[in-house]
Amino acid sequence: SQQGEEDPQALSIQEGENATMNCSYKTSINNLQWYRQNSGRGLVHLILIRSNEREKHSGRLRVTLDTSKKSSSLLITASRAADTASYFCATGGNTPLVFGKGTRLSVIA
Amino acid sequence: DVKVTQSSRYLVKRTGEKVFLECVQDMDHENMFWYRQDPGLGLRLIYFSYDVKMKEKGDIPEGYSVSREKKERFSLILESASTNQTSMYLCASSPTDRTSYGYTFGSGTRLTVV
Repeated sequence: SQQGEEDPQALSIQEGENATMNCSYKTSINNLQWYRQNSGRGLVHLILIRSNEREKHSGRLRVTLDTSKKSSSLLITASRAADTASYFCATGGNTPLVFGKGTRLSVIA
Repeated sequence: DVKVTQSSRYLVKRTGEKVFLECVQDMDHENMFWYRQDPGLGLRLIYFSYDVKMKEKGDIPEGYSVSREKKERFSLILESASTNQTSMYLCASSPTDRTSYGYTFGSGTRLTVV
């Protein structure tokens, strides 16, 4: 059962620009998480936001959560070529995480 | 550096073979998971385990089984490999508190069944 749905599917930006990815989900959640996957590798956990939180920051990452709209966004500021990867949202808590299909981000130097 | 280790990065097996994918974590995590990742389908949960000798079916368990005899090791078994099991397999682990921590993933095993 696919819970999260990322938008857009693919995003191409210039180095130094900001990248925004969105995630929508269907049912109530305990937390929402964002992961990064470099090509052909495993996923790396970026940030977790709980259902009672609205915004969270980690370095150049900013995540927002709107539980009334069942949506979240991930903002990467001042993007770098090394940010090129696929980004996934995942929802869960007491049940195993359910992942969206991801946004493919390309940062062009 | 804590990590999840998957025994093989690439694997090629023949149809009908019994295939073992091994996953070991060194973080003393209670929870372990097996996902497969396919283009256009994202990550799908195959099996998971919240304790030693415990296992639960995920969304797509057919054709797979698992074994967790020790806390640090979670094995995925393809009983009789088929070409539709060609995929990227990802193992992950997490601490007991499932609401506060993310998953740590291995590097993945890209399995090709010919």
